[in-house]
Amino acid sequence: AQTVTQSQPEMSVQEAETVTLTCTYDTSESDYYLFWYKQPPSRQMILVIRQEAYKQQNATENRFSVNFQKAAKSFSLKISDSQLGDAAMYFCAYISGNQFYFGTGTSLTVIP
Amino acid sequence: NAGVTQTPKFQVLKTGQSMTLQCAQDMNHNSMYWYRQDPGMGLRLIYYSASEGTTDKGEVPNGYNVSRLNKREFSLRLESAAPSQTSVYFCASSELGTGGYEQYFGPGTRLTVT
Repeated sequence: AQTVTQSQPEMSVQEAETVTLTCTYDTSESDYYLFWYKQPPSRQMILVIRQEAYKQQNATENRFSVNFQKAAKSFSLKISDSQLGDAAMYFCAYISGNQFYFGTGTSLTVIP
Repeated sequence: NAGVTQTPKFQVLKTGQSMTLQCAQDMNHNSMYWYRQDPGMGLRLIYYSASEGTTDKGEVPNGYNVSRLNKREFSLRLESAAPSQTSVYFCASSELGTGGYEQYFGPGTRLTVT
């Protein structure tokens, strides 16, 4: 069965510093998508970044970037120049065909 | 353009009562989903509808039923609520096969069953 594991329930980072959130997944598929979603206290799920498994190049969206290691089934999120507004729960998600799995989340605190 | 809307935002039920959570999207997406979110468990898929007229079970379907009323609307029904169904419920939609499977989420419904 496919699973998504986020082994860091909580992380903290100083404002303006860099933090990396880790995610591993287990799959036998070769074609799939990986996402990082952010959930602030408002509960709204917001897409942060997306990675297509067939693309070797790591995705980047402004201050957010991923380190995608397909062979290791690892998909970590790096947040650079952390801002107070980055404080939230972050969920890693795996989607392939009709199979959808989310990790248990990492709560990120940004320290002023 | 409202995206994905859900009603109600909050609900308290007694054990054994029934209710329907409503979801609608205005992005013309074919696929819609219902998730539940519990502390420490992340989001778990309850049911999904890959296209109008079809529905399939997800990871945790027991105790729930769904209806894909039309392309826009996808409802989730609890026939006899149980305390174990206390959770936050999210509806989402996406266009499978294009746009990278990105899911757009509604604001969630916080349900408490006493």
